[in-house]
Amino acid sequence: SQQGEEDPQALSIQEGENATMNCSYKTSINNLQWYRQNSGRGLVHLILIRSNEREKHSGRLRVTLDTSKKSSSLLITASQAADTASYFCATDGVGNEKLTFGTGTRLTIIP
Amino acid sequence: SAVISQKPSRDICQRGTSLTIQCQVDSQVTMMFWYRQQPGQSLTLIATANQGSEATYESGFVIDKFPISRPNLTFSTLTVSNMSPEDSSIYLCSGVQGGYDYTFGSGTRLTVV
Repeated sequence: SQQGEEDPQALSIQEGENATMNCSYKTSINNLQWYRQNSGRGLVHLILIRSNEREKHSGRLRVTLDTSKKSSSLLITASQAADTASYFCATDGVGNEKLTFGTGTRLTIIP
Repeated sequence: SAVISQKPSRDICQRGTSLTIQCQVDSQVTMMFWYRQQPGQSLTLIATANQGSEATYESGFVIDKFPISRPNLTFSTLTVSNMSPEDSSIYLCSGVQGGYDYTFGSGTRLTVV
């Protein structure tokens, strides 16, 4: 079963706009990661945020983590056509290295 | 990060047959995992491949259907047995180093006809 739920399930925005995706999870975590997947191909690791961190940045990506609400968000700023993909959050638990994936958000950038 | 070579990248198989998927890692990883991704869905963990012992399966997955081997710290196989069209999915392996550095194979796209 999936650990996390992501919303929205699908998102379409104009190129240049910002995209925000949200992830909620159910149990205590050690780390939360975000991945991108293009058209059913391999997973690309985007960013990792530890349970004791609240915010991280990497280029046009900004991730927040609220452990009290068991939720995370991924913000992609100044979106580009190449950002069109599915985005997944994944969590691992304390003492448990199994990654459990959220349901995913399909992002479409309209040129 | 480690690099995983997964093969085959895709296959079309007849129902009732079996397919073995291989993953080779270029450096030692502490844990290896196998996932299934059904069309349009997220990744679901099938099992944790344990080195030198039987894999640990998640609820809904059984060894008879998905036998897994991991003879050493850099290699693992997943067999999809007695296939039916419902087994048509992408199968991915993953390894982890240092407790948080995960890497994934490029996936095997399986179609059962």
